[in-house]
Amino acid sequence: KAGVTQTPRYLIKTRGQQVTLSCSPISGHRSVSWYQQTPGQGLQFLFEYFSETQRNKGNFPGRFSGRQFSNSRSEMNVSTLELGDSALYLCASSLVTGSNEQFFGPGTRLTVL
Amino acid sequence: GEDVEQSLFLSVREGDSSVINCTYTDSSSTYLYWYKQEPGAGLQLLTYIFSNMDMKQDQRLTVLLNKKDKHLSLRIADTQTGDSAIYFCARRSGNTPLVFGKGTRLSVIA
Repeated sequence: KAGVTQTPRYLIKTRGQQVTLSCSPISGHRSVSWYQQTPGQGLQFLFEYFSETQRNKGNFPGRFSGRQFSNSRSEMNVSTLELGDSALYLCASSLVTGSNEQFFGPGTRLTVL
Repeated sequence: GEDVEQSLFLSVREGDSSVINCTYTDSSSTYLYWYKQEPGAGLQLLTYIFSNMDMKQDQRLTVLLNKKDKHLSLRIADTQTGDSAIYFCARRSGNTPLVFGKGTRLSVIA
């Protein structure tokens, strides 16, 4: 069974631009969560989607948004990029919301210059 | 203080046991987890324990939970160089999102 895939793996943007990251969950998984990982703040929860609905949201500004499609694939968007948005963005999939087994993708490394 | 705390570094010799410790503040935590992250990779779920258990063993991994002290530990027996990675402790209450510690970097010396 294929794992969680994230595209692109690496991305370089400049301040003020916007970016869209994509996550394809494991086949059959309907819940997708997004996390931001930085050296200073560690792993912080962004949002969780299940059946195309946002179920939980972390404490991030409105520049961070996401969505989930009917095939469970998810995208997250960051608008008006800031230097502090440079991070590893991790996506995790699970069968349902609150499942104990979340499987993480390799992440997208975003660098904002 | 932080919600979930871990020491940042641990160094052990190959063949020895490693013990990674974690403390948390939220007594409503229902599940506690250990994840492993290797360089350039995402997080791999190693094991998890329900809060009404005090121990769980899975091959070389032993998880101990002291709910009274809100202390969780991960013991890796016969540590190998391939165990070198960052280990994250995480907790969850009900269906709320995972809350992670900052991670412990384990270095295994051959």
